[in-house]
Amino acid sequence: DIQMTQSPSSVSASVGDRVTITCRASQGISSWLAWYQQKPGKAPKLLIYAASNLQSGVPLRFSGSGSGTDFTLTISSLQPEDFASYYCQQANSLPWTFGQGTKVEIK
Amino acid sequence: QVQLVQSGGGVVQPGKSLRLSCAASGFTFSTYGMHWVRQAPGKGLEWVAIIWYDGSDKYYADSVKGRFTISRDNSKSTLYLQMNSLRAEDTALYYCAREDGSRRFDPWGQGTLVTVSS
Repeated sequence: DIQMTQSPSSVSASVGDRVTITCRASQGISSWLAWYQQKPGKAPKLLIYAASNLQSGVPLRFSGSGSGTDFTLTISSLQPEDFASYYCQQANSLPWTFGQGTKVEIK
Repeated sequence: QVQLVQSGGGVVQPGKSLRLSCAASGFTFSTYGMHWVRQAPGKGLEWVAIIWYDGSDKYYADSVKGRFTISRDNSKSTLYLQMNSLRAEDTALYYCAREDGSRRFDPWGQGTLVTVSS
């Protein structure tokens, strides 16, 4: 199985900050990577697919990059509604696997 | 609108069975692969199972293989997860999700809680 390692596991940031979350795959996954946002008590929401494609309706401050084994989710200017947990997920090969999550907290 | 509505969760004793349902609307259900994903309390997301759009193939996480069965009824636009021989470690919020193009999960169901406890 492909292991997905996210870092950091948590980050404290202020409104307006630039936040970067990284995800590393244990083997190459081409660009088959998605990013999800999850707020407490809610289902995950798709943000980015195929590593760098912004899902319809997602604000432009979210962006994704990377290919192979190293990927990045960037929030260019953190907004109050962005405080949540974020997960990467590989879809290169079954079983699809998620990173352990990154919690973005208010500083 | 595109929607997945889940039902069937609850409290069950270890070793017992439970079936989850996920009713789809707003899209042609029979043309999409479907997944189950779960989240233990306070933990991250764990992929559970996939079923091909026509039910021709299925794949499971090792943690549930041989105990859980994913199925679908395209005539009813409904996805199922039959869970047998339940264990305490199966306690989680279970989500169904559509596999959209480019291998992405969108949308997700609202989640249904399964608690395995004596």
